Amino acid sequence: DVVLTQSPLSLPVTPGQPASISCRSSQSLVHSDGNTYVTWFQQRPGQSPRRLIYKVSNRDSGVPDRFSGSGSGTDFTLKISKVEAEDVGVYYCMQGTQWLPRTFGQGTKLEIK
Amino acid sequence: QVQLVQSGAEVKKPGASVKVSCKASGYTLSSLYIHWVRQAPGQGLEWMGVFNPSDGSANYGPKFRGRVTMTRDTSTSTVYMELSSLTSEDTAVFYCARDSEGSVDVWGNGTTVTVSS
Repeated sequence: DVVLTQSPLSLPVTPGQPASISCRSSQSLVHSDGNTYVTWFQQRPGQSPRRLIYKVSNRDSGVPDRFSGSGSGTDFTLKISKVEAEDVGVYYCMQGTQWLPRTFGQGTKLEIK
Repeated sequence: QVQLVQSGAEVKKPGASVKVSCKASGYTLSSLYIHWVRQAPGQGLEWMGVFNPSDGSANYGPKFRGRVTMTRDTSTSTVYMELSSLTSEDTAVFYCARDSEGSVDVWGNGTTVTVSS
């Protein structure tokens, strides 16, 4: 199974400052079809997860452009250019390159300083 | 718009079973797979398995194999996840989520299951 390791696990950020979350995979996430199926989710307190980014860097409709995804192979990053109070929550990466099982990172808790 | 609406909270005794429903609207249920994910209190997301609403087939994660059954009712566009032999470690929020091209794009509202004697 693919193991995804996120860091840091806790991320205190001052509003207006940038934030970065790393997701490292135990194996390459490049699919045989040429795509890389890495997704980022945001889970606000008491809510269901919400997809932010798919296929490494594609932002979902309605997601603020301060969120961006990048990376390749085994190393991926979610960046928030200027953190706002509403960004508080837990962020997860997930891989879909190995069809099954789907695996998630442990989650990174973003809090406001 | 696309929605997955799940059934309400459940309280079960150890050893019992629970059946959670996930009703799809805004798209054709049979066109996309449905995943089930468990989230224990204060913990991360744990994949349980995936269901193909088109033919009723399923693939279960090794941790849940033998205890979980996924089914559907095409007449109501509803998918079900039944988990048996419950223990306190199954106290969690269970989510259904729609598969989308190597990702998951829409999540249900979650169903809280509490296992307590």
